[in-house]
Amino acid sequence: AQSVTQLGSHVSVSEGALVLLRCNYSSSVPPYLFWYVQYPNQGLQLLLKYTTGATLVKGINGFEAEFKKSETSFHLTKPSAHMSDAAEYFCAVIADSNYQLIWGAGTKLIIKP
Amino acid sequence: DTGVSQNPRHKITKRGQNVTFRCDPISEHNRLYWYRQTLGQGPEFLTYFQNEAQLEKSRLLSDRFSAERPKGSFSTLEIQRTEQGDSAMYLCASRTASAGGTDTQYFGPGTRLTVL
Repeated sequence: AQSVTQLGSHVSVSEGALVLLRCNYSSSVPPYLFWYVQYPNQGLQLLLKYTTGATLVKGINGFEAEFKKSETSFHLTKPSAHMSDAAEYFCAVIADSNYQLIWGAGTKLIIKP
Repeated sequence: DTGVSQNPRHKITKRGQNVTFRCDPISEHNRLYWYRQTLGQGPEFLTYFQNEAQLEKSRLLSDRFSAERPKGSFSTLEIQRTEQGDSAMYLCASRTASAGGTDTQYFGPGTRLTVL
């Protein structure tokens, strides 16, 4: 069965520092992987997704993620954190032929001034 | 494209009452999903529709829950005899049903239900 693990329910970084949010998945089929962001009192917004092709995926707001099959990982990074990046980030994998998303528990990103 | 909309945004009800939520998807999207999200957790799949057909329901969707999409456009989610454990954010998402299933799901802002 497919599953997603996000390491760290909270990650705190200083403004300007590197952001690294970890996501590991398990899947019995080639995965499709997604990162969504949720700002307070708002819906989920797609940051980026990996389906096929290039394993380094660039998304909105300067975020990128690299699919590493050997490590079953899809970590999200941003070189320099901005205060506006404070939000909750969710990693998700496509589950099956019905293309349902299976979600991680989320990581809350805190930006220190 | 006005995005996915959900109404109401917030609902407070007493235990045992019935509630109904509405989702209006992006107009050209034929797939519509309902999720539930509790504090500190990712969304949990409840059910989805392709056009007006409800194709799958999660085991989380007890007999007290029913969802409809009568004309293949908007959808409603009804919870009967609400319980305190139903308190959560209910999210709706829509997408096209292209082959491969990689199209993005677009989410609405959610309806936050509080059962007292």
